Amino acid sequence: DGGITQSPKYLFRKEGQNVTLSCEQNLNHDAMYWYRQDPGQGLRLIYYSQIVNDFQKGDIAEGYSVSREKKESFPLTVTSAQKNPTAFYLCASSIVGENTEAFFGQGTRLTVV
Amino acid sequence: AQTVTQSQPEMSVQEAETVTLSCTYDTSESDYYLFWYKQPPSRQMILVIRQEAYKQQNATENRFSVNFQKAAKSFSLKISDSQLGDAAMYFCAYRSYGSGNTGKLIFGQGTTLQVKP
Repeated sequence: DGGITQSPKYLFRKEGQNVTLSCEQNLNHDAMYWYRQDPGQGLRLIYYSQIVNDFQKGDIAEGYSVSREKKESFPLTVTSAQKNPTAFYLCASSIVGENTEAFFGQGTRLTVV
Repeated sequence: AQTVTQSQPEMSVQEAETVTLSCTYDTSESDYYLFWYKQPPSRQMILVIRQEAYKQQNATENRFSVNFQKAAKSFSLKISDSQLGDAAMYFCAYRSYGSGNTGKLIFGQGTTLQVKP
């Protein structure tokens, strides 16, 4: 079945540690996105990529990094510089162009302990 | 920059009744897309309905319909014959069209819908 897989579903991190969230898609989509969800704030864009080996900062990129070495994969690293990393993270992908739909993964809940 | 506002943090509806969720947005663009997404307790985001701003006709998908008022920058979602499975958080979202279209979605804060049996 085609879709987007995020792993792990739950992740715990100690303060000061970097952690990487995985996002893989087999939809052959060129574009991939990372969003952060906090209560009462909706979803906010962290990073996005429209082509392999290229990505752009979203609205809240500070403290995060990404890579796009393969079309299928867009991992997100939450660094120790992210001051408030506890949140729900959603990955999405879409075809580049008009009248296209974004497909979302099931998310990763990150908790700093 | 575009913004999306959902002013109703929580709504409730009786099963089989109709409910309307509100959304307003701000943009200087003339063409764009608007979406309603549903996020049930599983937290999987599901596209409910989509509206192209250049289309005057309001979009409908079975029990879901929108009231798109371009001049007022309003985009409300009407759910008819509400079912228990409609209970979820609903997000309104905006996406640019044409050369500004990178596929980025701008989301509202969300409205939690409770359906009472």
